[in-house]
Amino acid sequence: KAGVTQTPRYLIKTRGQQVTLSCSPISGHRSVSWYQQTPGQGLQFLFEYFSETQRNKGNFPGRFSGRQFSNSRSEMNVSTLELGDSALYLCASSLGDRAQGEKLFFGSGTQLSVL
Amino acid sequence: AQSVTQLGSHVSVSEGALVLLRCNYSSSVPPYLFWYVQYPNQGLQLLLKYTTGATLVKGINGFEAEFKKSETSFHLTKPSAHMSDAAEYFCAVSEGAGNMLTFGGGTRLMVKP
Repeated sequence: KAGVTQTPRYLIKTRGQQVTLSCSPISGHRSVSWYQQTPGQGLQFLFEYFSETQRNKGNFPGRFSGRQFSNSRSEMNVSTLELGDSALYLCASSLGDRAQGEKLFFGSGTQLSVL
Repeated sequence: AQSVTQLGSHVSVSEGALVLLRCNYSSSVPPYLFWYVQYPNQGLQLLLKYTTGATLVKGINGFEAEFKKSETSFHLTKPSAHMSDAAEYFCAVSEGAGNMLTFGGGTRLMVKP
């Protein structure tokens, strides 16, 4: 069974631009979560989607948004990029059939550099 | 609000020695607790998790962790370190609905030959 796939693997953007990252979960998984990883702030939760609905949201500005499609694939978008948005963005999927405490399967991430 | 503290951002052990990575959490309700490992240029992989029941949890690659409610701790141990254990380890807590995890700052484990 294929793992969680994130595209692209690397991305370079300039300040003010917007970016869209893509995540394909493991087949059959209905929950997709996004995390931002930086050396300074560590791993921070962005949002979680389950059955096309946002189930949880972290403490990030409105420039960060996401969505989930009917096939469970998810995208996250960052508008008006800032230098501080440079980070590894990780996507994780899970079955979504338990209310909480599920095992998350992570992708290898998209490394975003903002110049 | 929940939080996770990992004592020691870097831990160095010799091959064959005991590995002990510390994690303390704060949570207002009984939490779900996790240990994840991250190898260079990769995502995170679940080592083990505590939900309810037995307080000693066994995971993959010979790792285990003990949930101590009185100490709000969930330390990770492995009796004998192997070179392949060199990686960054993250403790995480989840409470409430869904799969939102709060991670600790991570501990980079180095294994000396």
